Amino acid sequence: DAKTTQPPSMDCAEGRAANLPCNHSTISGNEYVYWYRQIHSQGPQYIIHGLKNNETNEMASLIITEDRKSSTLILPHATLRDTAVYYCIVRVDLYSGGGADGLTFGKGTHLIIQP
Amino acid sequence: KAGVTQTPRYLIKTRGQQVTLSCSPISGHRSVSWYQQTPGQGLQFLFEYFSETQRNKGNFPGRFSGRQFSNSRSEMNVSTLELGDSALYLCASSRTSANYEQYFGPGTRLTVT
Repeated sequence: DAKTTQPPSMDCAEGRAANLPCNHSTISGNEYVYWYRQIHSQGPQYIIHGLKNNETNEMASLIITEDRKSSTLILPHATLRDTAVYYCIVRVDLYSGGGADGLTFGKGTHLIIQP
Repeated sequence: KAGVTQTPRYLIKTRGQQVTLSCSPISGHRSVSWYQQTPGQGLQFLFEYFSETQRNKGNFPGRFSGRQFSNSRSEMNVSTLELGDSALYLCASSRTSANYEQYFGPGTRLTVT
């Protein structure tokens, strides 16, 4: 699976959009981009995933560049409860020829929402 | 819809003992994965169960085992506990096997003394 690179930390003002970048320059054609977050002392939370088209759900939007070498997770109106570590992961699912080796998180980005 | 539940939430055990942790997945989810999370090693995959069968296993010793029941509920067991087994044990459910859209429970915090 492709490696990902994220900034270690970011600040964002409450009510503003939080834009979290992720670099995955070695991504291959059948690898999806997944985003998770983990609030201190809680289990990780699935946010969104995508292959090549931009995706949006009730939590966030995922923008993937045309060459798929990077992506941005957007939290449109950040609140204090969005303070967490955000993880960008690249995975091939089983039905696309990948293995079933579970999720692994790197260091992620510690997003701090400022009041 | 109810989320993933794990019991117990906190556990203190002594070296050499064994422990069983329980996980109830989201209704309709047939896959359950187990993870160990520690500050030093981060999130590490233990194993995945789907349709009562272990589909894949991470790099953990045989002291770590699991099973899944016909209602998709899962248990994991750790025998002969060691101090290094102190960790947050997380269970995650998904609709199908090897599906990385996973929904995690709150975890069981195990402390081995």
